[in-house]
Amino acid sequence: SAVISQKPSRDICQRGTSLTIQCQVDSQVTMMFWYRQQPGQSLTLIATANQGSEATYESGFVIDKFPISRPNLTFSTLTVSNMSPEDSSIYLCSVGGGPGELFFGEGSRLTVL
Amino acid sequence: GEDVEQSLFLSVREGDSSVINCTYTDSSSTYLYWYKQEPGAGLQLLTYIFSNMDMKQDQRLTVLLNKKDKHLSLRIADTQTGDSAIYFCAESRGSGNTPLVFGKGTRLSVIA
Repeated sequence: SAVISQKPSRDICQRGTSLTIQCQVDSQVTMMFWYRQQPGQSLTLIATANQGSEATYESGFVIDKFPISRPNLTFSTLTVSNMSPEDSSIYLCSVGGGPGELFFGEGSRLTVL
Repeated sequence: GEDVEQSLFLSVREGDSSVINCTYTDSSSTYLYWYKQEPGAGLQLLTYIFSNMDMKQDQRLTVLLNKKDKHLSLRIADTQTGDSAIYFCAESRGSGNTPLVFGKGTRLSVIA
């Protein structure tokens, strides 16, 4: 299984600021996915990040609000820009393993005041 | 559509079996998954089943898939207090490098 490390594990931020979340994987992976889990809710896909190309965003998510970098096959960042309390969520990074396997990081719990 | 439906709550006594049910709508789903989320933690992949299988067993966990009815279940034998968590059902249409569609999760409470 892939080992996925996310930083920060949690943070409290002020409204209007931005926060960058890092995702590091212990093996090279083609695609990485970023999800959001709002309080008491299920997971919603934000975007798919391929190395060497722009991320593909799902409906309701835009690059200006959630810019993503994917500089190599083991690392990605997600920035939550100009935060508001509605952005308070857990943000999770996910990668594929063998056929059918999809693993998640521990998540980054963000609280916006 | 790609809806995945689960009941929200389940309560069982320690030592009993738990059965968590899930229905999905996408008949082209390739893999179906069960994830466990403990309080304050990320998602742990418990098990997954390929769509051409109808059963998969792994220690205390048994997954049953009825592709005709688009119904997936997770049975936990001899449920323990450590099994208390939220269990998410999810589906994928790809080979493992495609994103998942999740249900809302079933909160399992185990009563000692």
